[in-house]
Amino acid sequence: DAGVTQSPTHLIKTRGQHVTLRCSPISGHKSVSWYQQVLGQGPQFIFQYYEKEERGRGNFPDRFSARQFPNYSSELNVNALLLGDSALYLCASSPQIAANTGELFFGEGSRLTVL
Amino acid sequence: AQSVTQLGSHVSVSEGALVLLRCNYSSSVPPYLFWYVQYPNQGLQLLLKYTSAATLVKGINGFEAEFKKSETSFHLTKPSAHMSDAAEYFCAVSVYQKVTFGTGTKLQVIP
Repeated sequence: DAGVTQSPTHLIKTRGQHVTLRCSPISGHKSVSWYQQVLGQGPQFIFQYYEKEERGRGNFPDRFSARQFPNYSSELNVNALLLGDSALYLCASSPQIAANTGELFFGEGSRLTVL
Repeated sequence: AQSVTQLGSHVSVSEGALVLLRCNYSSSVPPYLFWYVQYPNQGLQLLLKYTSAATLVKGINGFEAEFKKSETSFHLTKPSAHMSDAAEYFCAVSVYQKVTFGTGTKLQVIP
């Protein structure tokens, strides 16, 4: 079975540009979460989506937005990129939220470099 | 709000020696606790999890962790380190499906 897949794996942008990152969850998983991992730090929670609705938002500016599609895949969008947005962006899926312990299944991540 | 503290951003052990990575948590309700491992340029992989059953939890690759409520700790151990254990390890706490990660501990294994 396929795991969580993310695209693109690497990308380079310049300040002020916009980026869209994509994620496909494990088949049967309805919840998708996004995390930002800056070099040398632990993952920081950005968003959680379940059944196309936002269920949680971390302490990130409005430049960050996301959505979940009917097939449970998800996009993370970041506008007006800053140098500090350079990071590994991790997508994680998890099973039905009601019985969920919080165990996350991660993709390999999208490495964003902002110049 | 819950939080996780990992003591020691870098830990070095000799091959064959005991591995001990420390994690303390803070939570107002009984939490679920996890250890994840991250190899360079990869995502995180679950090592083990505590979900309020047995307090001693066994995971993959010979790792185990013990939940100690009185000490609010969930330290990760492995009796004998292998070169392939070199990676970064993250402790995480989950309360009401909100998952918070620690800052990570990089494990170096010296031959």
